Amino acid sequence: EAGVVQSPRYKIIEKKQPVAFWCNPISGHNTLYWYRQNLGQGPELLIRYENEEAVDDSQLPKDRFSAERLKGVDSTLKIQPAELGDSAVYLCASSLDIGQGAGELFFGEGSRLTVL
Amino acid sequence: AQSVTQLDSQVPVFEEAPVELRCNYSSSVSVYLFWYVQYPNQGLQLLLKYLSGSTLVKGINGFEAEFNKSQTSFHLRKPSVHISDTAEYFCAVSEFDGGATNKLIFGTGTLLAVQP
Repeated sequence: EAGVVQSPRYKIIEKKQPVAFWCNPISGHNTLYWYRQNLGQGPELLIRYENEEAVDDSQLPKDRFSAERLKGVDSTLKIQPAELGDSAVYLCASSLDIGQGAGELFFGEGSRLTVL
Repeated sequence: AQSVTQLDSQVPVFEEAPVELRCNYSSSVSVYLFWYVQYPNQGLQLLLKYLSGSTLVKGINGFEAEFNKSQTSFHLRKPSVHISDTAEYFCAVSEFDGGATNKLIFGTGTLLAVQP
């Protein structure tokens, strides 16, 4: 069974440029998460989807970040324009519905963003 | 609000020695507790979890953890480590308040550095 797939693995851009990350969750997982992991820190939740609906986006900087999951399967996270402080690893994760293995998230390998 | 504290940012240990990685949490409601492991340039992988029942839980690769409600701790242990255990270990908590939230809050991580 394929795991969570993310692309690109690495991205280097100049500040003020846009960037997008793509995630395909494990088949059958209705819940999808985007986390940001700064160097030396634990992951921090940016947004959580239940199918197509963003149920928790309280930590998403909405002035420059946007996300979508149009068909309830794969998802895209966009940053426009990028700032130096956005350099981090962006992790996508998926899980079964709440109550079915509560809390077990399956993570992708992440997309490492470097903003110059 | 819930939080997770991992006091040790790095734990050096010799191969075949025992190790304990400490984790404390704070929450006003019941919690689920998790340990995730992150190998270099990889995503996070679930090591073990406590949902209910026995307070001693066993995970993959010979790791175990004990939930101590009175001390609000969930320390991770292994009786004999291998070089291959060198990785970043993250403790995480999600609240259960009538229904699981599946919103994981991570600690800042502990780097386990196993030396020959």
